[in-house]
This record gives sequence, C-alpha cells and structure tokens, in this order.
Amino acid sequence: AQSVAQPEDQVNVAEGNPLTVKCTYSVSGNPYLFWYVQYPNRGLQFLLKYITGDNLVKGSYGFEAEFNKSQTSFHLKKPSALVSDSALYFCAVRVHGGYQKVTFGTGTKLQVIP
Amino acid sequence: EAQVTQNPRYLITVTGKKLTVTCSQNMNHEYMSWYRQDPGLGLRQIYYSMNVEVTDKGDVPEGYKVSRKEKRNFPLILESPSPNQTSLYFCASSPRANYGYTFGSGTRLTVV
Repeated sequence: AQSVAQPEDQVNVAEGNPLTVKCTYSVSGNPYLFWYVQYPNRGLQFLLKYITGDNLVKGSYGFEAEFNKSQTSFHLKKPSALVSDSALYFCAVRVHGGYQKVTFGTGTKLQVIP
Repeated sequence: EAQVTQNPRYLITVTGKKLTVTCSQNMNHEYMSWYRQDPGLGLRQIYYSMNVEVTDKGDVPEGYKVSRKEKRNFPLILESPSPNQTSLYFCASSPRANYGYTFGSGTRLTVV
C-alpha cells in the first residue's frame, strides 16, 4: 500500500524567511510526487511535480521541492516566504503504472507571520 | 476557460434521500477522480475513472456510486446518504497519469 506522511500539522515562518514543508512517502515502485496548495474556501491548485530526472523541481509562485530517494522525502521549499503563501499544503504520491491511485497526505497549514 | 465544474457548491439533505453531485470538465481529460476532505484526514479517494466506462474503487468507496458515460462527466451518487458522509467533496481531472490534477471548487455536503 502507498502512503504519504506530512509530519507537521502547522508550520509558522516569518515573512522573508525561508520555508520548508515536509513530506515523506512510501510506495512499491517508482513514485510520481506532487504538491498542491489550498486557499480558504477554494479547491486545490497544482504547484509542482516530480516524475523523473533532476531531484530539484521548480513550480508555481517561486516554490520548489527536493526529491530524496534514499530518505523517501519530497520537501517543499521557498527561499523567501510571503504572507500570501499562508494556506494549506498537500503532498501526494502516485506510483508509476498505478493509474489513478493517488494518495494524499493529511495537509500542513502554513502560516506566514508579517 | 479550462476548468472542472461541480454542482452544487453547498447541499444540506436528510438521511436516506438519494442525491447526485455533478462534475464536468472541458479539457478532454481521460482521468477523473472523486475525493472527500475531512479535518485531520486529508483527502481520501472515493472512486476514479481512467476513461469512458472504466471506473474503479479508491480508498473509501462504501456508500458511493459513480458512472462515466461521457468523457467530460463523472457524477457522484449517494443512494442513501448517512451523516458520516457529511464532508467536503472534490472532483478532479488530469490528462495523463504523470500530470497533476485540476480540481473543482468543491461541494460541501451536510447530511442530517
């Protein structure tokens, strides 16, 4: 069975500081990994994905994520946080050949403090 | 505008009264999926579809039905809703397995 863990329910960071939202996964096989963001009363929006190739992937709004196969992690990062980044962030995994079986984490609330 | 449209946005119903939540996408995506979002549990997959007439169960299919008669539509049917199906529901679509989802705006369902 595949699973995703987001160990922090909430992350607080000061505006202008770097931010990291953690994600670890477990799959049998090679993973596709995704990050999504959810603003209040909105649907989820796709941020970025790792399929293959470079371990550092860049996405929307200045976010990036680093794939680490040995640690089975896919942490979301941003060099300088904005107040407008405050939202709920979800990590998701799909296994290659796993069709539509997509498993999401429980979400991490990011609070950027002015 | 490319989008996934869900209706209704909000629904309050009584236990046992059949209901359907509609989902439609205008991007010609093959893959569609339904999720429910509950506090502390994240998003859990209910059903998914890889193409017309091809559907399969996700992690929490009990009490739900789906159909995919046309590529663009993927309705979620609750034959006999119960209070434990009170949740926020999302429909999503993607063109291929290695693409991210496009999500609808959600349907907040309350069963009393």
